[in-house]
Amino acid sequence: DAKTTQPTSMDCAEGRAANLPCNHSTISGNEYVYWYRQIHSQGPQYIIHGLKNNETNEMASLIITEDRKSSTLILPHATLRDTAVYYCIVVIQGAQKLVFGQGTRLTINP
Amino acid sequence: DAGVIQSPRHEVTEMGQEVTLRCKPISGHNSLFWYRQTMMRGLELLIYFNNNVPIDDSGMPEDRFSAKMPNASFSTLKIQPSEPRDSAVYFCASSRQGVQGEKLFFGSGTQLSVL
Repeated sequence: DAKTTQPTSMDCAEGRAANLPCNHSTISGNEYVYWYRQIHSQGPQYIIHGLKNNETNEMASLIITEDRKSSTLILPHATLRDTAVYYCIVVIQGAQKLVFGQGTRLTINP
Repeated sequence: DAGVIQSPRHEVTEMGQEVTLRCKPISGHNSLFWYRQTMMRGLELLIYFNNNVPIDDSGMPEDRFSAKMPNASFSTLKIQPSEPRDSAVYFCASSRQGVQGEKLFFGSGTQLSVL
């Protein structure tokens, strides 16, 4: 699977959009980008995933650059409950397992 | 659905004792994963099962660790004998089939402390 690079930590004000970047410059054409998050003391939680097109669901939006070498997870109106570690993971088609990196620790400030 | 259910929530034991962690996946899910999380190493995949069959146990640290899935609704992770370095949070997760195009649903974890 392609390696991902994320900032170690980020801060965002409550009510503002939180934009979490992820670099995956070695991604190949059949690899998906997944985002999970882990709120303190809980198990990881699926957020969203995509291949080429931008995706949106009730939790977030995923913007993938045209060359697919990077992506951004957007939490449109961050709340204090969005404080968590966010993991960007690249998964090859047909993969059987999910490997987590170190993620980005996002802190939402009041 | 109650989600992935793990027990116990917390386990404190002494070095050398046997520890058994339990997991009930979401009904209808065919893939089950055991992860371990520590501050130093983050989230590590230990083993995963498809249709009750272990597929990849390369993440299992050593022979002291074993995992079973006797049926589609139950799995155990056993450590015998336990050591202080096994102290960690152990998560179980399940999905309908594999990970590609699927969501993994995680349990609340078992906090293991080996004294």
